[in-house]
Amino acid sequence: AQSVTQLGSHVSVSEGALVLLRCNYSSSVPPYLFWYVQYPNQGLQLLLKYTSAATLVKGINGFEAEFKKSETSFHLTKPSAHMSDAAEYFCAVNSNTDKLIFGTGTRLQVFP
Amino acid sequence: NAGVTQTPKFRVLKTGQSMTLLCAQDMNHEYMYWYRQDPGMGLRLIHYSVGEGTTAKGEVPDGYNVSRLKKQNFLLGLESAAPSQTSVYFCASSSPREFGETQYFGPGTRLLVL
Repeated sequence: AQSVTQLGSHVSVSEGALVLLRCNYSSSVPPYLFWYVQYPNQGLQLLLKYTSAATLVKGINGFEAEFKKSETSFHLTKPSAHMSDAAEYFCAVNSNTDKLIFGTGTRLQVFP
Repeated sequence: NAGVTQTPKFRVLKTGQSMTLLCAQDMNHEYMYWYRQDPGMGLRLIHYSVGEGTTAKGEVPDGYNVSRLKKQNFLLGLESAAPSQTSVYFCASSSPREFGETQYFGPGTRLLVL
């Protein structure tokens, strides 16, 4: 069975600080991993995805994530937070099925 | 190119009423999905379809029915709405070329059942 755990339902950072959102997965086969972002009152849009190519994946808006098989992790980072990064972030896993399994989400707040 | 659209954007129902949510995509995607989003629970899959005329149950299918009569449309029906179905509903679509394909989401339908 596949599953995703996002540690921390809320994360607060100051503008310009490092953003780190944690995601751990469980999968019996090599997974595909995704980070989606949801801005207030909008649908989800893809930030980045890992599909077994490079383990360090770069996405939109300066975000990146590193696939670490030994730690079963796919944490999302951004070196310097911007006010516009305030949103909810979802990690998701697909283990060779027709379906994505989503984590419960992490709400990022950015303070000036 | 509108992507994925959902109708309506917001609806209030009384317990026991029925309604249909419409999802349309113009990307010629084979796969379509219906999710519900509730606070602290992320997105949970209700039903999905891997092609015109096919449907399958997801994680939380009870109380919902779906139909995929046309490739571009995916309908979600509530036959007898319950307060527990108060939620935000999202439709998504994707191409089945590989399991790593991106799902594209609609803007959501906010449903309140009184």
